[in-house]
Amino acid sequence: AQKITQTQPGMFVQEKEAVTLDCTYDTSDQSYGLFWYKQPSSGEMIFLIYQGSYDEQNATEGRYSLNFQKARKSANLVISASQLGDSAMYFCAMRDWIYNQGGKLIFGQGTELSVKP
Amino acid sequence: GAVVSQHPSWVICKSGTSVKIECRSLDFQATTMFWYRQFPKQSLMLMATSNEGSKATYEQGVEKDKFLINHASLTLSTLTVTSAHPEDSSFYICSARVSRDSETQYFGPGTRLLVL
Repeated sequence: AQKITQTQPGMFVQEKEAVTLDCTYDTSDQSYGLFWYKQPSSGEMIFLIYQGSYDEQNATEGRYSLNFQKARKSANLVISASQLGDSAMYFCAMRDWIYNQGGKLIFGQGTELSVKP
Repeated sequence: GAVVSQHPSWVICKSGTSVKIECRSLDFQATTMFWYRQFPKQSLMLMATSNEGSKATYEQGVEKDKFLINHASLTLSTLTVTSAHPEDSSFYICSARVSRDSETQYFGPGTRLLVL
């Protein structure tokens, strides 16, 4: 069965430092996509970054990068130069193709990131 | 990125009434929209997949007669919570794919429902 695991319920980071949020996944499909979303206290889900299973290079979007280790089935999010506005809930999600033709996402439990000034 | 709106953002209703939540894609046509439910400090749980012009596909354990989903056009999907009860109080959030070839889902701002 497909599964996404985020083992860090909460994380603290000092402003301007980098932080890594962990995400591991489980799927028997060879073709899948991995996503990271940010959810501030307002509740909206903000798309951050996407990594396809066949992408050879790690995805990057500004201060966000995805450390994709396929053999270990991990897709950690790295936020560089943390800002106070990065304080939010972060969700890792997966979409696989064989079992999921409809395109639905499976979400992890989330990690609450707090950035200290 | 693509913009998805939801209306209303907040709703308080009495037990037994029905509540309709609208999800609109503002600058693109969405053949597929998704409805999620989120309890405080928990993850998003998919309720159903809404396809334009066809019946919604509900996840296991979701009552289709209680949570009515209609996707009448390429830019609008509605979720109606029928005969709402206090346990239906939650944060409801929709998302949409820009196209069949796009994997990224864009989310609406969500609707907070409180049933008294």
